[in-house]
Amino acid sequence: DGGITQSPKYLFRKEGQNVTLSCEQNLNHDAMYWYRQDPGQGLRLIYYSQIVNDFQKGDIAEGYSVSREKKESFPLTVTSAQKNPTAFYLCASSTLATGSEQYFGPGTRLTVT
Amino acid sequence: GENVEQHPSTLSVQEGDSAVIKCTYSDSASNYFPWYKQELGKGPQLIIDIRSNVGEKKDQRIAVTLNKTAKHFSLHITETQPEDSAVYFCAASIKRSGAQKLVFGQGTRLTINP
Repeated sequence: DGGITQSPKYLFRKEGQNVTLSCEQNLNHDAMYWYRQDPGQGLRLIYYSQIVNDFQKGDIAEGYSVSREKKESFPLTVTSAQKNPTAFYLCASSTLATGSEQYFGPGTRLTVT
Repeated sequence: GENVEQHPSTLSVQEGDSAVIKCTYSDSASNYFPWYKQELGKGPQLIIDIRSNVGEKKDQRIAVTLNKTAKHFSLHITETQPEDSAVYFCAASIKRSGAQKLVFGQGTRLTINP
């Protein structure tokens, strides 16, 4: 079954704790992305990676960190420095070709209290 | 910076009628324009896309048009059905530092009334 998986679907944390969201893909895609979605808003890019061991900041990278040790995996850590971490987090992947479609995972809803 | 404006934010139509959602973009170098459908609690799904070398693309009840001169593109859904109810997002590609990224519109919540 090909696609992108994100786990867990729901995540609850106390304020001040770091939390890591998982994203795995078996589409053999080189590029992977993390987006944040808030109610009534579009998707905002947090981080993206085009190749293993390399990644770039997106538009709202502050308070987040990522790693890309394997082509299939792109975990996102929401740190305690992120001022408003409660949101719906979406992972996506694509090939590197120009005009390549991005395929999204099912998302993780993070609630921090 | 790069920007994609999407209108309307909410749209309600009678089942069987047509729905139109419009987007404008700011980067004249954008050359790829996907549309995504997102159901409640799920990730967005690509439903149709268009590249800058064509002006229109159709897939059954869904069509997208692109006007590069005016920098706007639209999604048209004909013969709407209750299962078309969802949030729809447009996006435009931008290229920065050798990487292609997507900039998304704010979304349109489409409701199909039976």
